[in-house]
Amino acid sequence: DAKTTQPPSMDCAEGRAANLPCNHSTISGNEYVYWYRQIHSQGPQYIIHGLKNNETNEMASLIITEDRKSSTLILPHATLRDTAVYYCIVSPSSGNTGKLIFGQGTTLQVKP
Amino acid sequence: DAGVIQSPRHEVTEMGQEVTLRCKPISGHDYLFWYRQTMMRGLELLIYFNNNVPIDDSGMPEDRFSAKMPNASFSTLKIQPSEPRDSAVYFCASSSLDPAVQETQYFGPGTRLLVL
Repeated sequence: DAKTTQPPSMDCAEGRAANLPCNHSTISGNEYVYWYRQIHSQGPQYIIHGLKNNETNEMASLIITEDRKSSTLILPHATLRDTAVYYCIVSPSSGNTGKLIFGQGTTLQVKP
Repeated sequence: DAGVIQSPRHEVTEMGQEVTLRCKPISGHDYLFWYRQTMMRGLELLIYFNNNVPIDDSGMPEDRFSAKMPNASFSTLKIQPSEPRDSAVYFCASSSLDPAVQETQYFGPGTRLLVL
Protein backbone atom coordinates (compact mmCIF):
# COMPACT_ATOMS: atom_id res chain seq x y z
CA ASP A 1 0.00 0.00 0.00
CA ALA A 2 1.15 3.52 -0.70
CA LYS A 3 2.24 5.47 2.33
CA THR A 4 1.72 9.11 3.09
CA THR A 5 3.84 11.70 4.84
CA GLN A 6 2.30 14.63 6.67
CA PRO A 7 3.72 17.25 8.99
CA PRO A 8 2.88 16.38 12.59
CA SER A 9 1.37 19.73 13.44
CA MET A 10 0.34 23.10 11.99
CA ASP A 11 -1.19 26.31 13.25
CA CYS A 12 -3.64 28.53 11.45
CA ALA A 13 -5.28 31.83 12.34
CA GLU A 14 -9.05 31.82 12.54
CA GLY A 15 -10.60 33.07 9.30
CA ARG A 16 -7.52 32.33 7.25
CA ALA A 17 -7.04 29.49 4.82
CA ALA A 18 -5.46 26.33 6.20
CA ASN A 19 -3.29 24.45 3.72
CA LEU A 20 -2.41 20.92 4.79
CA PRO A 21 0.20 19.13 2.66
CA CYS A 22 0.58 15.43 2.05
CA ASN A 23 3.24 13.48 0.20
CA HIS A 24 2.35 10.18 -1.44
CA SER A 25 5.20 9.60 -3.85
CA THR A 26 4.54 5.86 -4.27
CA ILE A 27 0.85 6.19 -5.11
CA SER A 28 -0.41 3.76 -7.74
CA GLY A 29 -2.51 4.66 -10.76
CA ASN A 30 -5.72 3.27 -9.31
CA GLU A 31 -5.34 4.77 -5.85
CA TYR A 32 -7.37 7.68 -4.64
CA VAL A 33 -6.34 10.31 -2.12
CA TYR A 34 -8.74 10.52 0.82
CA TRP A 35 -8.83 13.04 3.62
CA TYR A 36 -10.48 12.41 6.96
CA ARG A 37 -10.34 14.41 10.15
CA GLN A 38 -10.85 13.53 13.78
CA ILE A 39 -12.04 16.12 16.23
CA HIS A 40 -11.11 15.39 19.81
CA SER A 41 -13.13 12.54 21.35
CA GLN A 42 -15.06 11.89 18.15
CA GLY A 43 -14.87 9.33 15.38
CA PRO A 44 -13.07 10.19 12.13
CA GLN A 45 -15.09 12.20 9.63
CA TYR A 46 -14.74 12.08 5.86
CA ILE A 47 -13.77 15.35 4.20
CA ILE A 48 -13.02 14.80 0.54
CA HIS A 49 -11.32 12.49 -1.93
CA GLY A 50 -9.90 12.65 -5.45
CA LEU A 51 -8.00 10.75 -8.12
CA LYS A 52 -6.38 13.21 -10.53
CA ASN A 53 -8.46 16.34 -10.75
CA ASN A 54 -8.85 18.96 -8.11
CA GLU A 55 -11.99 18.55 -6.06
CA THR A 56 -14.12 20.92 -4.02
CA ASN A 57 -17.04 20.39 -1.71
CA GLU A 58 -18.75 22.32 1.05
CA MET A 59 -16.00 21.49 3.51
CA ALA A 60 -12.75 21.82 1.61
CA SER A 61 -10.78 21.77 -1.61
CA LEU A 62 -8.29 19.12 -2.64
CA ILE A 63 -5.43 20.02 -4.93
CA ILE A 64 -3.51 17.09 -6.42
CA THR A 65 -0.26 17.70 -8.31
CA GLU A 66 -0.06 16.59 -11.91
CA ASP A 67 2.33 13.76 -11.07
CA ARG A 68 -0.01 12.78 -8.18
CA LYS A 69 2.91 12.50 -5.80
CA SER A 70 1.53 15.08 -3.43
CA SER A 71 -1.66 16.88 -2.54
CA THR A 72 -2.92 19.76 -0.43
CA LEU A 73 -6.13 19.99 1.54
CA ILE A 74 -7.42 23.53 1.76
CA LEU A 75 -9.87 24.75 4.37
CA PRO A 76 -10.72 28.16 2.90
CA HIS A 77 -11.80 29.94 6.07
CA ALA A 78 -10.68 28.01 9.12
CA THR A 79 -12.74 28.26 12.29
CA LEU A 80 -11.98 27.12 15.82
CA ARG A 81 -14.16 24.08 15.19
CA ASP A 82 -11.72 22.95 12.49
CA THR A 83 -9.12 22.17 15.15
CA ALA A 84 -8.56 18.44 14.66
CA VAL A 85 -6.18 15.75 13.44
CA TYR A 86 -6.26 15.54 9.64
CA TYR A 87 -5.43 12.25 7.97
CA CYS A 88 -4.31 11.86 4.37
CA ILE A 89 -4.88 8.31 3.10
CA VAL A 90 -4.30 6.64 -0.23
CA SER A 91 -6.59 3.76 -1.05
CA PRO A 92 -7.71 1.72 -4.05
CA SER A 93 -10.70 2.95 -6.00
CA SER A 94 -13.14 1.35 -3.60
CA GLY A 95 -11.77 3.17 -0.62
CA ASN A 96 -15.12 3.04 1.06
CA THR A 97 -15.13 -0.73 0.99
CA GLY A 98 -11.58 -1.60 1.81
CA LYS A 99 -8.94 -0.84 4.31
CA LEU A 100 -8.24 2.69 5.33
CA ILE A 101 -4.74 2.80 6.76
CA PHE A 102 -4.46 5.80 9.04
CA GLY A 103 -1.06 7.32 9.72
CA GLN A 104 -0.29 9.82 12.44
CA GLY A 105 -1.91 12.72 10.59
CA THR A 106 -1.45 16.46 11.03
CA THR A 107 -2.75 18.12 14.16
CA LEU A 108 -4.21 21.45 13.04
CA GLN A 109 -4.63 24.07 15.72
CA VAL A 110 -6.79 27.00 14.70
CA LYS A 111 -6.07 29.99 16.88
CA PRO A 112 -8.25 33.05 17.53
CA ASP B 1 -30.55 8.69 9.73
CA ALA B 2 -29.06 8.37 13.20
CA GLY B 3 -25.66 7.41 11.89
CA VAL B 4 -23.57 4.55 13.19
CA ILE B 5 -24.60 3.67 16.74
CA GLN B 6 -22.22 2.13 19.23
CA SER B 7 -22.82 0.90 22.74
CA PRO B 8 -21.76 1.23 25.41
CA ARG B 9 -20.04 4.59 25.03
CA HIS B 10 -17.84 3.90 28.04
CA GLU B 11 -16.87 0.62 29.64
CA VAL B 12 -14.73 0.01 32.70
CA THR B 13 -13.99 -3.57 33.58
CA GLU B 14 -11.49 -5.66 35.45
CA MET B 15 -8.82 -7.79 33.90
CA GLY B 16 -10.11 -11.24 32.98
CA GLN B 17 -13.68 -10.17 32.41
CA GLU B 18 -15.51 -10.57 29.13
CA VAL B 19 -16.27 -7.37 27.23
CA THR B 20 -18.81 -7.04 24.43
CA LEU B 21 -18.97 -3.98 22.23
CA ARG B 22 -21.95 -3.41 19.97
CA CYS B 23 -22.49 -1.62 16.70
CA LYS B 24 -25.50 -0.79 14.56
CA PRO B 25 -24.45 0.35 11.07
CA ILE B 26 -26.29 2.85 8.94
CA SER B 27 -29.32 1.23 7.36
CA GLY B 28 -28.60 -0.04 3.86
CA HIS B 29 -24.84 -0.12 4.29
CA ASP B 30 -23.31 -3.45 3.41
CA TYR B 31 -19.80 -2.95 4.78
CA LEU B 32 -18.94 -2.78 8.46
CA PHE B 33 -15.53 -2.06 9.98
CA TRP B 34 -14.10 -2.32 13.49
CA TYR B 35 -11.13 -0.07 14.35
CA ARG B 36 -9.11 0.40 17.52
CA GLN B 37 -7.32 3.60 18.52
CA THR B 38 -4.54 3.94 21.07
CA MET B 39 -1.93 6.57 21.65
CA MET B 40 0.86 4.15 20.83
CA ARG B 41 -0.54 2.54 17.68
CA GLY B 42 -2.93 5.16 16.40
CA LEU B 43 -6.06 4.10 14.50
CA GLU B 44 -5.87 0.56 13.19
CA LEU B 45 -8.36 -1.67 11.39
CA LEU B 46 -9.22 -4.87 13.23
CA ILE B 47 -11.74 -6.57 10.93
CA TYR B 48 -14.34 -5.78 8.32
CA PHE B 49 -17.46 -7.46 6.99
CA ASN B 50 -19.28 -7.39 3.67
CA ASN B 51 -22.90 -8.54 3.67
CA ASN B 52 -22.38 -9.96 7.16
CA VAL B 53 -19.40 -12.08 6.08
CA PRO B 54 -15.93 -11.37 7.54
CA ILE B 55 -13.61 -10.35 4.70
CA ASP B 56 -10.37 -9.48 6.41
CA ASP B 57 -9.59 -10.17 10.06
CA SER B 58 -5.82 -9.84 9.78
CA GLY B 59 -5.85 -6.92 12.16
CA MET B 60 -7.44 -8.85 15.02
CA PRO B 61 -4.72 -8.92 17.67
CA GLU B 62 -5.17 -12.43 19.01
CA ASP B 63 -7.61 -15.19 19.82
CA ARG B 64 -9.03 -13.26 22.71
CA PHE B 65 -10.76 -11.03 20.18
CA SER B 66 -13.74 -12.17 18.14
CA ALA B 67 -16.26 -10.33 15.98
CA LYS B 68 -19.62 -11.37 14.63
CA MET B 69 -22.28 -9.91 12.41
CA PRO B 70 -25.42 -12.02 12.78
CA ASN B 71 -27.48 -9.70 10.57
CA ALA B 72 -27.19 -6.55 8.50
CA SER B 73 -28.07 -4.26 11.38
CA PHE B 74 -25.91 -5.54 14.21
CA SER B 75 -22.32 -6.49 14.97
CA THR B 76 -20.40 -7.33 18.12
CA LEU B 77 -16.74 -7.23 19.06
CA LYS B 78 -15.95 -9.45 22.01
CA ILE B 79 -12.82 -9.61 24.15
CA GLN B 80 -12.47 -12.63 26.40
CA PRO B 81 -10.56 -12.46 28.69
CA SER B 82 -9.81 -8.77 28.70
CA GLU B 83 -6.38 -7.39 29.61
CA PRO B 84 -5.21 -3.89 30.56
CA ARG B 85 -3.45 -3.51 27.19
CA ASP B 86 -6.85 -3.77 25.50
CA SER B 87 -7.72 -0.34 26.89
CA ALA B 88 -8.47 1.82 23.87
CA VAL B 89 -11.23 3.53 21.92
CA TYR B 90 -13.01 1.12 19.62
CA PHE B 91 -14.73 2.57 16.56
CA CYS B 92 -17.24 0.99 14.27
CA ALA B 93 -17.75 2.32 10.75
CA SER B 94 -20.02 1.42 7.85
CA SER B 95 -20.17 2.14 4.14
CA SER B 96 -22.00 1.24 0.97
CA LEU B 97 -21.04 0.16 -2.53
CA ASP B 98 -24.08 1.94 -3.90
CA PRO B 99 -22.69 4.48 -6.39
CA ALA B 100 -25.44 6.86 -5.44
CA VAL B 101 -23.99 7.01 -1.96
CA GLN B 102 -20.89 9.01 -1.24
CA GLU B 103 -17.78 6.87 -1.20
CA THR B 104 -16.86 7.19 2.40
CA GLN B 105 -16.80 5.30 5.62
CA TYR B 106 -19.06 6.68 8.32
CA PHE B 107 -17.69 6.29 11.82
CA GLY B 108 -19.56 5.89 15.06
CA PRO B 109 -18.75 7.84 18.24
CA GLY B 110 -16.62 5.04 19.63
CA THR B 111 -16.56 2.98 22.82
CA ARG B 112 -13.95 3.96 25.38
CA LEU B 113 -12.76 0.82 27.10
CA LEU B 114 -10.69 0.79 30.26
CA VAL B 115 -9.49 -2.54 31.61
CA LEU B 116 -8.15 -2.32 35.15
